Order: sequence, then structure tokens, then C-alpha cells
Amino acid sequence: GAVVSQHPSWVICKSGTSVKIECRSLDFQATTMFWYRQFPKQSLMLMATSNEGSKATYEQGVEKDKFLINHASLTLSTLTVTSAHPEDSSFYICSASSSSGPKNIQYFGAGTRLSVL
Amino acid sequence: GQSLEQPSEVTAVEGAIVQINCTYQTSGFYGLSWYQQHDGGAPTFLSYNALDGLEETGRFSSFLSRSDSYGYLLLQELQMKDSASYFCAVTASGGSYIPTFGRGTSLIVHP
Repeated sequence: GAVVSQHPSWVICKSGTSVKIECRSLDFQATTMFWYRQFPKQSLMLMATSNEGSKATYEQGVEKDKFLINHASLTLSTLTVTSAHPEDSSFYICSASSSSGPKNIQYFGAGTRLSVL
Repeated sequence: GQSLEQPSEVTAVEGAIVQINCTYQTSGFYGLSWYQQHDGGAPTFLSYNALDGLEETGRFSSFLSRSDSYGYLLLQELQMKDSASYFCAVTASGGSYIPTFGRGTSLIVHP
């Protein structure tokens, strides 16, 4: 099956530092990847849609300068949380759908738990 | 836009059958998907329906009625390991096929 690798799985950082999260599709090409944020016991909140070779599309209320997304290739998207603060602490998850498969099947990375001190 | 409704919590006993319903509103429908998420983990894909009817995948089945904007996930022969959150997600047609997730249903399986 399709595999999405997300690293790191857990990050603890000081307030004011930047954190980069990588999302890779290992055995398929993903023209589009999605970045989500999830608070405990809540649903997945879509932050942005990442398209290969173009600028990401951010959801309303998500600061594009705060959450930098780069989709450099058909298998890699990165999310950088810039100048992280404690309120940015959350579970961040990426997903991708195969360029050649059903568009409504999402394959998720394992998630990154970010704790900002 | 899209919106979905699903129950917040369902409880059942081992070996039983449970049905988790999902109703949705969307402008342009592509498909309805179901995902399982254990505490601390990421969602994993379970099943999807693009057309009306029942899709069976082992102990899990998913049903869709597009005319009713309704679907459900059926879990049979429940096991303790099935305790998790289950999300339905609707994908609208056109554009980037962005999925919208429901709030999730917490399934608690008792011995």
C-alpha cells in the first residue's frame, strides 16, 4: 500500500525557534499534499493544501508567514513553523493522495507532535 | 462548503456489530471515505464509496446513499483493538479534491 513518511515524530523546542517537518510519499507520486493540525480529542483541521511546483493554498485563519510550506518535488512537502510559540504546540499531520489513484483516499504520515516550551 | 455530522461516541461489546452514521452536505460530491485513528496515532484509511451501495473490506463495510447524503461504517465481530476514533470525510468534485473531515466518533469496545 501507499506509504507516507513524516519526520520528525516528536519535537520539543524553545519559544522563538523554527521547526521543519518533512512529509514524503515513499512509493507513489503525490501532486497534492495536505497539512493538518489536530488538538486532543478533536477533528483534523486543514491548514493548507500543498501543490508541487506552486504556492500552497492556505485555509482561512492560517498565517502563511507563520507556517511556511514548500512542495519541492512530487514526493516531498515540508512545513516550517517559524518562530514557534507555546500556542503552536499541537499534533501536525500530513497526508497525500496518489496522482494515479482515487482522489478521495488520503494516506497519512505518522504525525509530528510539537511541544514549544 | 462541506459539513458532516457523525455521533461523538458509540459504545459496544466485543463480538458485537456497530454502525457509525455520517450525514454530509457538499456542493459537488466525489466520494465518502472512512478513517480510523487510535490515540496518539495518525489516521489510517479504511474504506471509501464513490457510488451508492455497500463496500465490504473484511470486518469493515461502508455504505453510501448519495440521494440521502448519508453513509455509514459497519464494524462486525468487534475486537478490543477496534476502540479508536472513526472519521468520515467527504471529498468534493473539482479542484484539488480537498477532503473535509467530520468531528469523529469515539468507539469504545468493552469486554
